[in-house]
Amino acid sequence: DTEVTQTPKHLVMGMTNKKSLKCEQHMGHRAMYWYKQKAKKPPELMFVYSYEKLSINESVPSRFSPECPNSSLLNLHLHALQPEDSALYLCASSPGHSSYEQYFGPGTRLTVT
Amino acid sequence: GESVGLHLPTLSVQEGDNSIINCAYSNSASDYFIWYKQESGKGPQFIIDIRSNMDKRQGQRVTVLLNKTVKHLSLQIAATQPGDSAVYFCANNAGNMLTFGGGTRLMVKP
Repeated sequence: DTEVTQTPKHLVMGMTNKKSLKCEQHMGHRAMYWYKQKAKKPPELMFVYSYEKLSINESVPSRFSPECPNSSLLNLHLHALQPEDSALYLCASSPGHSSYEQYFGPGTRLTVT
Repeated sequence: GESVGLHLPTLSVQEGDNSIINCAYSNSASDYFIWYKQESGKGPQFIIDIRSNMDKRQGQRVTVLLNKTVKHLSLQIAATQPGDSAVYFCANNAGNMLTFGGGTRLMVKP
């Protein structure tokens, strides 16, 4: 299995909702990443988990809360988002934190109304 | 390449021609470089990578060239096909993270 899967594919939520994005990989990778991508822009790093511990938080607002329940799963909990948070949220994984070849999932298209 | 406002740099090529997509980077300490292809509605897909101890690496129909002197990276696609139409991002390592370039849209004309 050489895939990173993400659910849901699309999500529409109101500013008072609480929702979660999910990411899964079964490649035995020990580093997992959340990125945010706006239209016509490159991915922007949000969080890095290395060996199930949060190692990098790129000054992301607390309305985004990551969680890594085990080495195969990565969640992103969303609460009280703003319309400007609408974007494609990408999950990626790599063999280790110092391994730069990252494999990306298809993303979740999030719309905040 | 760098994006300006809402517009991505665009390269338009005829099917069957070769494509060259360029990227400049600024971190002289980077020792790893990677090209991704992103089709509409999908996540970035790994194409090819190169380490700084090399100046050229070839894959299937793709070649990456690295010029560390001028901090320039290029992706060459031979015999470009309609399926190559996508946005292409270069990335390089900055510490333990990847830094992405602005992206170039490749359009293939039939």
